[in-house]
Amino acid sequence: DVVMTQTPVSLPVSLGGQASISCRSSQSLVHSNGNTYLHWYLQKPGQSPQLLIYRVSNRFSGVPDRFSGSGSGTDFTLKISRVEPEDLGDYYCLQSTHFPFTFGSGTKLEIK
Amino acid sequence: EVQLVESGGGLVQPGRSLKLSCAASGFTFSNYYMAWVRQAPTKGLEWVAYISTGGGSTYYRDSVKGRFTISRDNAKSTLYLQMDSLRSEDTATYYCTTNSPFAYWGQGTLVTVSS
Repeated sequence: DVVMTQTPVSLPVSLGGQASISCRSSQSLVHSNGNTYLHWYLQKPGQSPQLLIYRVSNRFSGVPDRFSGSGSGTDFTLKISRVEPEDLGDYYCLQSTHFPFTFGSGTKLEIK
Repeated sequence: EVQLVESGGGLVQPGRSLKLSCAASGFTFSNYYMAWVRQAPTKGLEWVAYISTGGGSTYYRDSVKGRFTISRDNAKSTLYLQMDSLRSEDTATYYCTTNSPFAYWGQGTLVTVSS
């Protein structure tokens, strides 16, 4: 199985500040069709996960441009600028290039 | 508006069965691959199974292969997960979601496997 190593586990951040979350895969996430199926989710307390970024760098409908994704191959990053209170929660990366699909272990974004 | 509403969770003894349902609305269900994702209490997310649009292709994580069956009824816009031989480690909230990139999620249904 592809192991997704997500860091940090916990990320204290000041409101208005910037946050960066890393996700590294144990093998390349480039599919044979040339696409890279690496996605990012936010799970707010008591809620279902919500899609933020799909295929590395594409913001999902309604996601503010404060969220951006980048990376390639095995190394990916989610950046959040101008952090707002509604951004707090658990962030997960997911790879859906290889079966079984695997999630990172999560990063808890909290207020400093 | 896309809606996914799971039902069928509850408390069940180890070794018994349970069938989850997910009623979809607000989109053309038959055009979407669908999946189940679970989350054990206070733990992270874990992909369980997925099914193609017509139901002819299914994939499972190893730990549920042979025990769980994903299926769908496109006429009813409903996704199912038949769970047999349940174990304590299957205890989790089960979410249905439109398959990769899992754009839409239901609210989840809690399955507790305990004697």
